[in-house]
Amino acid sequence: TQLLEQSPQFLSIQEGENLTVYCNSSSVFSSLQWYRQEPGEGPVLLVTVVTGGEVKKLKRLTFQFGDARKDSSLHITAAQPGDTGLYLCAGVNTNAGKSTFGDGTTLTVKP
Amino acid sequence: GAGVSQTPSNKVTEKGKYVELRCDPISGHTALYWYRQSLGQGPEFLIYFQGTGAADDSGLPNDRFFAVRPEGSVSTLKIQRTERGDSAVYLCASRPTGTSVETQYFGPGTRLLVL
Repeated sequence: TQLLEQSPQFLSIQEGENLTVYCNSSSVFSSLQWYRQEPGEGPVLLVTVVTGGEVKKLKRLTFQFGDARKDSSLHITAAQPGDTGLYLCAGVNTNAGKSTFGDGTTLTVKP
Repeated sequence: GAGVSQTPSNKVTEKGKYVELRCDPISGHTALYWYRQSLGQGPEFLIYFQGTGAADDSGLPNDRFFAVRPEGSVSTLKIQRTERGDSAVYLCASRPTGTSVETQYFGPGTRLLVL
Protein backbone atom coordinates (compact mmCIF):
# COMPACT_ATOMS: atom_id res chain seq x y z
CA THR A 1 0.00 0.00 0.00
CA GLN A 2 1.32 3.40 -0.97
CA LEU A 3 1.03 5.96 1.82
CA LEU A 4 1.52 9.70 1.91
CA GLU A 5 2.30 11.39 5.21
CA GLN A 6 1.84 15.12 5.59
CA SER A 7 3.28 17.35 8.29
CA PRO A 8 2.47 19.27 10.28
CA GLN A 9 -1.15 18.23 10.68
CA PHE A 10 -2.14 21.70 11.92
CA LEU A 11 -0.42 25.05 11.49
CA SER A 12 -1.54 28.43 12.81
CA ILE A 13 0.46 31.51 11.93
CA GLN A 14 0.17 35.28 11.71
CA GLU A 15 -0.34 37.16 8.48
CA GLY A 16 2.99 37.92 6.81
CA GLU A 17 4.85 34.88 8.11
CA ASN A 18 6.43 32.23 5.92
CA LEU A 19 5.70 28.52 6.24
CA THR A 20 6.58 25.15 4.78
CA VAL A 21 4.50 21.98 4.80
CA TYR A 22 5.76 18.56 3.85
CA CYS A 23 4.53 15.46 2.07
CA ASN A 24 6.48 12.20 2.34
CA SER A 25 5.75 8.98 0.53
CA SER A 26 6.66 5.39 1.24
CA SER A 27 7.13 4.81 -2.48
CA VAL A 28 7.58 6.51 -5.85
CA PHE A 29 4.70 8.02 -7.78
CA SER A 30 4.55 9.05 -11.45
CA SER A 31 3.65 12.55 -10.32
CA LEU A 32 2.61 14.40 -7.20
CA GLN A 33 -0.07 17.02 -6.85
CA TRP A 34 -0.96 19.66 -4.31
CA TYR A 35 -4.57 20.66 -3.69
CA ARG A 36 -6.24 23.25 -1.51
CA GLN A 37 -9.64 22.51 0.01
CA GLU A 38 -11.94 24.98 1.74
CA PRO A 39 -14.77 23.98 4.09
CA GLY A 40 -17.78 22.66 2.21
CA GLU A 41 -15.93 22.45 -1.08
CA GLY A 42 -14.02 19.84 -3.02
CA PRO A 43 -10.23 19.98 -3.43
CA VAL A 44 -8.89 22.37 -6.08
CA LEU A 45 -5.69 21.47 -7.90
CA LEU A 46 -2.82 23.92 -7.33
CA VAL A 47 0.08 22.24 -9.11
CA THR A 48 1.44 18.96 -10.47
CA VAL A 49 5.13 18.06 -10.22
CA VAL A 50 6.53 15.27 -12.33
CA THR A 51 10.33 15.41 -12.49
CA GLY A 52 12.62 14.68 -9.54
CA GLY A 53 14.12 17.93 -8.26
CA GLU A 54 11.46 20.01 -10.00
CA VAL A 55 10.53 23.38 -8.51
CA LYS A 56 7.37 25.23 -9.50
CA LYS A 57 6.22 28.65 -8.39
CA LEU A 58 2.67 29.93 -8.25
CA LYS A 59 2.74 33.55 -7.03
CA ARG A 60 3.70 33.26 -3.33
CA LEU A 61 3.63 29.44 -3.36
CA THR A 62 6.73 27.36 -4.17
CA PHE A 63 6.42 23.62 -4.73
CA GLN A 64 9.36 21.25 -4.77
CA PHE A 65 9.55 17.58 -5.74
CA GLY A 66 12.34 15.57 -4.15
CA ASP A 67 15.09 14.07 -6.29
CA ALA A 68 13.85 10.54 -5.53
CA ARG A 69 10.25 11.54 -6.36
CA LYS A 70 9.05 10.33 -2.97
CA ASP A 71 8.64 13.61 -1.12
CA SER A 72 7.49 17.15 -1.76
CA SER A 73 7.20 20.46 0.02
CA LEU A 74 5.01 23.53 -0.27
CA HIS A 75 6.44 26.86 0.86
CA ILE A 76 4.23 29.93 1.25
CA THR A 77 5.82 33.35 1.49
CA ALA A 78 4.12 36.19 3.36
CA ALA A 79 1.00 34.20 4.17
CA GLN A 80 -2.38 35.93 3.95
CA PRO A 81 -5.71 35.09 5.61
CA GLY A 82 -6.96 33.99 2.19
CA ASP A 83 -4.40 31.17 2.25
CA THR A 84 -6.34 29.53 5.09
CA GLY A 85 -7.48 26.04 4.18
CA LEU A 86 -6.62 22.35 4.03
CA TYR A 87 -3.59 21.59 1.87
CA LEU A 88 -3.55 18.07 0.47
CA CYS A 89 -0.86 16.26 -1.43
CA ALA A 90 -1.75 13.40 -3.74
CA GLY A 91 0.35 10.84 -5.56
CA VAL A 92 -0.64 9.67 -9.01
CA ASN A 93 0.44 6.55 -10.85
CA THR A 94 -0.40 7.08 -14.50
CA ASN A 95 -1.42 3.51 -15.21
CA ALA A 96 -3.66 3.30 -12.14
CA GLY A 97 -5.70 6.41 -12.95
CA LYS A 98 -6.51 7.20 -9.33
CA SER A 99 -4.94 9.56 -6.82
CA THR A 100 -3.69 8.59 -3.36
CA PHE A 101 -4.14 11.44 -0.91
CA GLY A 102 -2.39 12.35 2.31
CA ASP A 103 -4.44 13.49 5.31
CA GLY A 104 -3.57 17.14 4.75
CA THR A 105 -2.24 20.13 6.65
CA THR A 106 -4.85 22.50 8.06
CA LEU A 107 -3.46 26.03 7.76
CA THR A 108 -4.91 29.00 9.62
CA VAL A 109 -3.53 32.45 8.87
CA LYS A 110 -4.60 35.04 11.41
CA PRO A 111 -4.93 38.70 10.37
CA GLY B 1 -19.50 26.64 -17.65
CA ALA B 2 -20.85 24.39 -14.94
CA GLY B 3 -18.50 22.39 -12.79
CA VAL B 4 -19.06 18.99 -11.24
CA SER B 5 -22.31 18.95 -9.29
CA GLN B 6 -23.40 16.52 -6.60
CA THR B 7 -26.79 15.92 -5.06
CA PRO B 8 -27.94 15.97 -2.41
CA SER B 9 -25.49 18.28 -0.69
CA ASN B 10 -26.45 16.74 2.66
CA LYS B 11 -28.10 13.43 3.49
CA VAL B 12 -29.15 12.21 6.92
CA THR B 13 -30.33 8.63 7.17
CA GLU B 14 -30.82 5.93 9.75
CA LYS B 15 -28.65 2.89 10.19
CA GLY B 16 -29.76 0.09 7.88
CA LYS B 17 -31.32 2.32 5.25
CA TYR B 18 -30.40 2.54 1.55
CA VAL B 19 -29.01 5.75 0.04
CA GLU B 20 -28.15 6.98 -3.45
CA LEU B 21 -25.71 9.79 -4.14
CA ARG B 22 -25.62 11.44 -7.55
CA CYS B 23 -22.77 13.01 -9.49
CA ASP B 24 -23.12 15.14 -12.63
CA PRO B 25 -19.67 15.48 -14.19
CA ILE B 26 -18.50 18.29 -16.43
CA SER B 27 -20.04 17.79 -19.87
CA GLY B 28 -17.81 15.71 -22.13
CA HIS B 29 -15.60 14.32 -19.37
CA THR B 30 -15.21 10.58 -19.87
CA ALA B 31 -13.40 9.71 -16.64
CA LEU B 32 -15.28 9.88 -13.33
CA TYR B 33 -14.02 9.14 -9.82
CA TRP B 34 -15.67 8.64 -6.44
CA TYR B 35 -13.76 9.33 -3.24
CA ARG B 36 -14.76 9.26 0.43
CA GLN B 37 -13.40 11.79 2.92
CA SER B 38 -13.80 11.21 6.63
CA LEU B 39 -13.36 13.99 9.16
CA GLY B 40 -9.71 14.96 9.53
CA GLN B 41 -8.56 12.78 6.67
CA GLY B 42 -7.78 13.12 2.99
CA PRO B 43 -9.99 11.72 0.24
CA GLU B 44 -9.91 7.93 -0.09
CA PHE B 45 -10.37 6.42 -3.56
CA LEU B 46 -13.48 4.30 -4.08
CA ILE B 47 -14.05 3.70 -7.81
CA TYR B 48 -13.03 5.01 -11.24
CA PHE B 49 -15.14 4.93 -14.41
CA GLN B 50 -13.87 5.31 -17.95
CA GLY B 51 -17.03 5.86 -19.95
CA THR B 52 -19.74 3.48 -18.78
CA GLY B 53 -17.46 0.84 -17.32
CA ALA B 54 -15.77 0.66 -13.94
CA ALA B 55 -12.05 0.62 -14.75
CA ASP B 56 -11.02 0.24 -11.11
CA ASP B 57 -13.36 -0.53 -8.20
CA SER B 58 -10.63 -1.66 -5.82
CA GLY B 59 -11.46 1.06 -3.29
CA LEU B 60 -15.04 0.01 -2.59
CA PRO B 61 -14.90 -1.12 1.04
CA ASN B 62 -17.40 -3.98 0.80
CA ASP B 63 -20.34 -5.29 -1.19
CA ARG B 64 -22.75 -2.79 0.37
CA PHE B 65 -21.24 -0.18 -1.92
CA PHE B 66 -22.03 -0.09 -5.63
CA ALA B 67 -21.75 2.55 -8.34
CA VAL B 68 -23.13 2.84 -11.86
CA ARG B 69 -22.70 5.13 -14.83
CA PRO B 70 -25.11 3.68 -17.40
CA GLU B 71 -24.83 6.34 -20.10
CA GLY B 72 -21.28 7.48 -19.49
CA SER B 73 -22.23 10.79 -17.91
CA VAL B 74 -24.18 10.89 -14.61
CA SER B 75 -23.05 8.44 -11.95
CA THR B 76 -24.84 7.14 -8.87
CA LEU B 77 -23.13 5.74 -5.79
CA LYS B 78 -25.40 3.34 -3.94
CA ILE B 79 -24.96 2.26 -0.33
CA GLN B 80 -27.07 -0.55 1.09
CA ARG B 81 -27.72 -1.25 4.77
CA THR B 82 -25.91 1.90 5.84
CA GLU B 83 -23.75 1.82 8.96
CA ARG B 84 -22.65 4.68 11.22
CA GLY B 85 -19.11 4.22 9.93
CA ASP B 86 -20.30 5.18 6.44
CA SER B 87 -20.74 8.77 7.63
CA ALA B 88 -18.37 10.92 5.56
CA VAL B 89 -18.22 13.36 2.68
CA TYR B 90 -18.50 11.57 -0.65
CA LEU B 91 -16.62 13.42 -3.38
CA CYS B 92 -16.95 13.00 -7.12
CA ALA B 93 -14.38 14.15 -9.67
CA SER B 94 -14.26 14.10 -13.45
CA ARG B 95 -11.51 14.35 -16.04
CA PRO B 96 -11.72 15.29 -19.72
CA THR B 97 -10.81 12.94 -22.54
CA GLY B 98 -7.27 12.89 -23.75
CA THR B 99 -5.64 14.75 -20.89
CA SER B 100 -3.24 13.44 -18.33
CA VAL B 101 -4.57 11.65 -15.29
CA GLU B 102 -3.70 14.65 -13.17
CA THR B 103 -6.47 16.98 -14.27
CA GLN B 104 -9.31 15.97 -11.97
CA TYR B 105 -12.08 18.45 -11.19
CA PHE B 106 -13.89 17.85 -7.92
CA GLY B 107 -17.48 18.52 -6.96
CA PRO B 108 -18.46 19.99 -3.57
CA GLY B 109 -19.35 16.60 -2.14
CA THR B 110 -22.34 15.00 -0.43
CA ARG B 111 -22.21 14.97 3.35
CA LEU B 112 -23.71 11.69 4.55
CA LEU B 113 -24.65 11.25 8.19
CA VAL B 114 -25.86 7.85 9.34
CA LEU B 115 -27.62 7.97 12.70
